[in-house]
Amino acid sequence: DAGVIQSPRHEVTEMGQEVTLRCKPISGHNSLFWYRQTMMRGLELLIYFNNNVPIDDSGMPEDRFSAKMPNASFSTLKIQPSEPRDSAVYFCASTDRAPGGYTFGSGTRLTVV
Amino acid sequence: AQSVTQLDSQVPVFEEAPVELRCNYSSSVSVYLFWYVQYPNQGLQLLLKYLSGSTLVESINGFEAEFNKSQTSFHLRKPSVHISDTAEYFCAVTLRNSGNTPLVFGKGTRLSVIA
Repeated sequence: DAGVIQSPRHEVTEMGQEVTLRCKPISGHNSLFWYRQTMMRGLELLIYFNNNVPIDDSGMPEDRFSAKMPNASFSTLKIQPSEPRDSAVYFCASTDRAPGGYTFGSGTRLTVV
Repeated sequence: AQSVTQLDSQVPVFEEAPVELRCNYSSSVSVYLFWYVQYPNQGLQLLLKYLSGSTLVESINGFEAEFNKSQTSFHLRKPSVHISDTAEYFCAVTLRNSGNTPLVFGKGTRLSVIA
């Protein structure tokens, strides 16, 4: 298995532009998580899905952020419009029923200028 | 809600010296505990976990952690570190027996091993 695949690895965009981050979880994993990592705040949970259904999106910073999981093999995190304070590394992780056994992707480093 | 405190943001240590990375958690219910490691420009990888049974758990590369319920701690130790152990280490917690509830992470401890 290729692991959790995130794209792009790096994204540089101008303030106000739409940004879409993509994630392909491990086949057979039924839970998917989006985290954001910054120096100041560490790892923050944004949203998670169980069986493609969003369970808790209370970590999404504001309405500019949205996430979807149209099927078991794909999820997107969209920011529209983007702002410089959104600059961070965004991680996707997936797991099966094993507690805490997350597999993380390599992350997307987003820079909004 | 659960929370995790990693008391040291950075720990420098000489090669072959012992190291302890501290982790304390807060929760009103029983939890599972984890340590993850993040190498530069990579995602997090599971290092070890405590689910039940023996309170001392070990990883394949010589790290160990001990669950201490009375002190609500899960400190990570290694008797002799290598240069390759240089990384950021994250302690995490999730609710016991609650399905796939999310992990709550500490802010991380950057371990720097000096030759």
